[in-house]
Amino acid sequence: GAVVSQHPSRVICKSGTSVKIECRSLDFQATTMFWYRQFPKQSLMLMATSNEGSKATYEQGVEKDKFLINHASLTLSTLTVTSAHPEDSSFYICSAGRDGTGIEGGGYTDTQYFGPGTRLTVL
Amino acid sequence: LAKTTQPISMDSYEGQEVNITCSHNNIATNDYITWYQQFPSQGPRFIIQGYKTKVTNEVASLFIPADRKSSTLSLPRVSLSDTAVYYCLVGGNDYKLSFGAGTTVTVRA
Repeated sequence: GAVVSQHPSRVICKSGTSVKIECRSLDFQATTMFWYRQFPKQSLMLMATSNEGSKATYEQGVEKDKFLINHASLTLSTLTVTSAHPEDSSFYICSAGRDGTGIEGGGYTDTQYFGPGTRLTVL
Repeated sequence: LAKTTQPISMDSYEGQEVNITCSHNNIATNDYITWYQQFPSQGPRFIIQGYKTKVTNEVASLFIPADRKSSTLSLPRVSLSDTAVYYCLVGGNDYKLSFGAGTTVTVRA
């Protein structure tokens, strides 16, 4: 269980075009999804948190008008890179949060499950 | 979010046990510890998660001392296919995680 898919896996586009990436949780419902970006040899950087039915929360330095996020259902979130430029070329990874069970200390074992990633190349 | 510190890299040989220790001195009461594995050009894969003591699954064990300020991921009898980056993350019940640099584990024949 806990499978997350992304589509497309790879996209090449011309500068100035917009690209949409889909993220789906296949076997569980996710009220919260996340979008990350990863440059070569670097760690994952959180771009935004997406909550179903509400506006996404963007991390500092991430342009919300450039990276449009929509979380229209409990199994689907989309990231649209608008007017893409070569510097937007990167590996984009989504994750979906699955509610866990209660644990000692009052927390819950909520866990993020990641998609396979989308390689975006802007020419 | 609690900050984590783990070694940048580790080398091992096939068949050996690999232990990666992660420090998280500022872990909060509600936080749990999660480890992920990432291969190049793939999304991170969930390995194991725990709150205290020891957790074991089919691929790894996680040891957490009583003070919870550190944790050790143990990979038994590694193979070449275990060469990857391993991330230790600490988080609470709001899902949010902060990825550090991770530990690059290289397994040699």
